[in-house]
Amino acid sequence: ETGVTQTPRHLVMGMTNKKSLKCEQHLGHNAMYWYKQSAKKPLELMFVYSLEERVENNSVPSRFSPECPNSSHLFLHLHTLQPEDSALYLCASSQDRGLWEQFFGPGTRLTVL
Amino acid sequence: AQSVAQPEDQVNVAEGNPLTVKCTYSVSGNPYLFWYVQYPNRGLQFLLKYITGDNLVKGSYGFEAEFNKSQTSFHLKKPSALVSDSALYFCAVRDRTGTASKLSFGTGTRLQVTL
Repeated sequence: ETGVTQTPRHLVMGMTNKKSLKCEQHLGHNAMYWYKQSAKKPLELMFVYSLEERVENNSVPSRFSPECPNSSHLFLHLHTLQPEDSALYLCASSQDRGLWEQFFGPGTRLTVL
Repeated sequence: AQSVAQPEDQVNVAEGNPLTVKCTYSVSGNPYLFWYVQYPNRGLQFLLKYITGDNLVKGSYGFEAEFNKSQTSFHLKKPSALVSDSALYFCAVRDRTGTASKLSFGTGTRLQVTL
């Protein structure tokens, strides 16, 4: 596979469940990102990893927990979510330095019941 | 703080007509500017970017954008729209001091091209 892949593509979970989103990039990039996309709102940057170290955490609630075991993989662990967390979660990757654009995965459509 | 404004929620164009999707930005110093497109059930795809040099930037699928420093704008254009161009378009900006992570997106503009 090429580019950025995300699994699952769709996820429905209850407020008490624990689930994880997975992202994998095949582009040799060294930075990876989690974004939240909600209707009529700008993309919200949640977390940034550069060289497997977290470099940004934009005031995201602790019920979202990222993990970056290596430069190709990124996870978002979810627990005790709220209905307002329902959104499209997008993963992206890029080279951290320089003028490189970000490449996005197809997203995981999350619904919290 | 840096930000992007996309003043139109939706733009409607007939196929074959020229299209413009507007974007204005706010950033300290000179900007890096990007356009992305999102098709249904897909992630964002990079279209083009302005870094420096010629104010008219050409990108994928026949799109181009014009950087206007005095108006702080970076409008996306295409001379002749196609029905297949119908999608959600995002403008993004970052300043020249930050890393690639410091990218701010607009709220998106839905382009609807009809026959």
